[in-house]
Amino acid sequence: GAGVSQTPSNKVTEKGKYVELRCDPISGHTALYWYRQSLGQGPEFLIYFQGTGAADDSGLPNDRFFAVRPEGSVSTLKIQRTERGDSAVYLCASSFAGEGTLHFGNGTRLTVT
Amino acid sequence: KNQVEQSPQSLIILEGKNCTLQCNYTVSPFSNLRWYKQDTGRGPVSLTIMTFSENTKSNGRYTATLDADTKQSSLHITASQLSDSASYICVVSSKRGGGNKLTFGTGTQLKVEL
Repeated sequence: GAGVSQTPSNKVTEKGKYVELRCDPISGHTALYWYRQSLGQGPEFLIYFQGTGAADDSGLPNDRFFAVRPEGSVSTLKIQRTERGDSAVYLCASSFAGEGTLHFGNGTRLTVT
Repeated sequence: KNQVEQSPQSLIILEGKNCTLQCNYTVSPFSNLRWYKQDTGRGPVSLTIMTFSENTKSNGRYTATLDADTKQSSLHITASQLSDSASYICVVSSKRGGGNKLTFGTGTQLKVEL
């Protein structure tokens, strides 16, 4: 597509539920990043994929968070047993290899009630 | 610990005026520095990218400077427009392994008023 697409744009879920957030990167971009952004803050790194593999998952806050990119294109961020503190905007970005300018999607706003 | 600090935290200016946003960083090893513009409800969009050897780079009314010795960067906006109202985020890249590790500042929230 023309840009990075993230779905859904908004997600409201109850505490304890499981959610999946989807990212469709720019075609041909091998690098894909997930970030989390709280209000008034800069994006916080979660995980970076190069192709199908997670090259750096050091930003995932705990084992409730997991991400996959099985075919090296679309990625899914999965959050188990959601907590109210997980509420934030989850941003996805992609780039050529790991060197280029990041192109961000518009994010998924997650609200855990 | 790698850090990027931006100032001011927020800024209000009148349309047509100029302004300068500041970024100080402690990131090592340094690879490049980028300024992003983030409109409300949207993802950040790249404005400029500068490597160690570049002192200044312009993109229309936006001019970024970099002093790698003092580890400071600035973003100057000329003849501001209402559409410049946004958060401006400084991002410093450190080369690590097969890719770049990005450290984000918290941003400067700019509001341009009539």
